[in-house]
Amino acid sequence: DAMVIQNPRYQVTQFGKPVTLSCSQTLNHNVMYWYQQKSSQAPKLLFHYYDKDFNNEADTPDNFQSRRPNTSFCFLDIRSPGLGDAAMYLCATRSGSSYEQYFGPGTRLTVT
Amino acid sequence: AQKVTQAQTEISVVEKEDVTLDCVYETRDTTYYLFWYKQPPSGELVFLIRRNSFDEQNEISGRYSWNFQKSTSSFNFTITASQVVDSAVYFCALSEARSGNTPLVFGKGTRLSVIA
Repeated sequence: DAMVIQNPRYQVTQFGKPVTLSCSQTLNHNVMYWYQQKSSQAPKLLFHYYDKDFNNEADTPDNFQSRRPNTSFCFLDIRSPGLGDAAMYLCATRSGSSYEQYFGPGTRLTVT
Repeated sequence: AQKVTQAQTEISVVEKEDVTLDCVYETRDTTYYLFWYKQPPSGELVFLIRRNSFDEQNEISGRYSWNFQKSTSSFNFTITASQVVDSAVYFCALSEARSGNTPLVFGKGTRLSVIA
């Protein structure tokens, strides 16, 4: 089945130790998003790619970066995770001709 | 500015009861899209429905129905004969209709607990 896949589902990292989360999609959608969702809150958009064009939300910390090497894959890099970065990270995709976003299962990040 | 308000933070119902989740939105755009997503305990956000601003027809899908009223800027979601599997957080969201990025503006979500 076509889908959005996120690996790993659970990630534990140490304070200050770089971590990379990955997202892949078989939908061939040209837009990919990364969201951060903290407990009991709505998802918060970090950045998105429209094809290869990268768009950073104004309030996304510099600590967060992203790479999209091809249509199918997108990575979220957290350079120096702090305790406040512990959250669920959700990847989503959208076709350029549509408006609904399709989400992956998320990666729950714990920072120790 | 766009805004989505889900005034109900948590709702508990007994199985087989009907329940309505409220959503009120604000936008200056004349063309926009409204969405409902379900987030079960597993964490994945599941797309339920998209409604265009120019289509005010209500929609029914099985036990789910949606009531869109532009006059009151509301897009309410009703679950009929609720089941335990309906327990989840439900998010209402709004998106402008334009080219390029169309970010989703989410409400804060309503946590629905269906008790057997």
